[in-house]
Amino acid sequence: EAGVTQFPSHSVIEKGQTVTLRCDPISGHDNLYWYRRVMGKEIKFLLHFVKESKQDESGMPNNRFLAERTGGTYSTLKVQPAELEDSGVYFCASRSGIGNGYTFGSGTRLTVV
Amino acid sequence: AQSVAQPEDQVNVAEGNPLTVKCTYSVSGNPYLFWYVQYPNRGLQFLLKYITGDNLVKGSYGFEAEFNKSQTSFHLKKPSALVSDSALYFCAVRDPPGANNLFFGTGTRLTVIP
Repeated sequence: EAGVTQFPSHSVIEKGQTVTLRCDPISGHDNLYWYRRVMGKEIKFLLHFVKESKQDESGMPNNRFLAERTGGTYSTLKVQPAELEDSGVYFCASRSGIGNGYTFGSGTRLTVV
Repeated sequence: AQSVAQPEDQVNVAEGNPLTVKCTYSVSGNPYLFWYVQYPNRGLQFLLKYITGDNLVKGSYGFEAEFNKSQTSFHLKKPSALVSDSALYFCAVRDPPGANNLFFGTGTRLTVIP
């Protein structure tokens, strides 16, 4: 089966611009998660979708971040406007249900200059 | 509140020697503990987990980890390191076990020297 796919793999944008990250989970996985690792720090939870609904968005840093999951399939994470501190690696993960393992994508490295 | 600490940013070990990557945790109840590895330009890959039972857990690629409740530790070990083990290793906890998201440590970069 195909894994979790994220794109772009790298993005360099200027402060104030908008960037949209995309995640395609494993087909049939209802649970989709976004995590972020800022340079040298821990990987932090951002939010969790169950199908198209936001189950938990307690990790979203502020209202410049908007996540959507159209039709319960792929998800997008938009940062608007981007700030320097948003730089980091954004990981997406999916799993089929509680008790099952997480499968992570290879991440999107975002650099805001 | 739950937390995970990986006290070493970098671990260097000679090929063929045993390796240990340290992890300690703080949780309110009984933890579910995980190790993930990230190879260059790859996603996080699951190595092993501790849920319950035997304190010594065996995982992928010859890795194992020992759950020590009294020391609140879950150190990752391998008897004989390979150059291909060089990667970034993350310890994670799910607390409470029914929670949906993982709490990760800051990661430890392992370099195996030929």
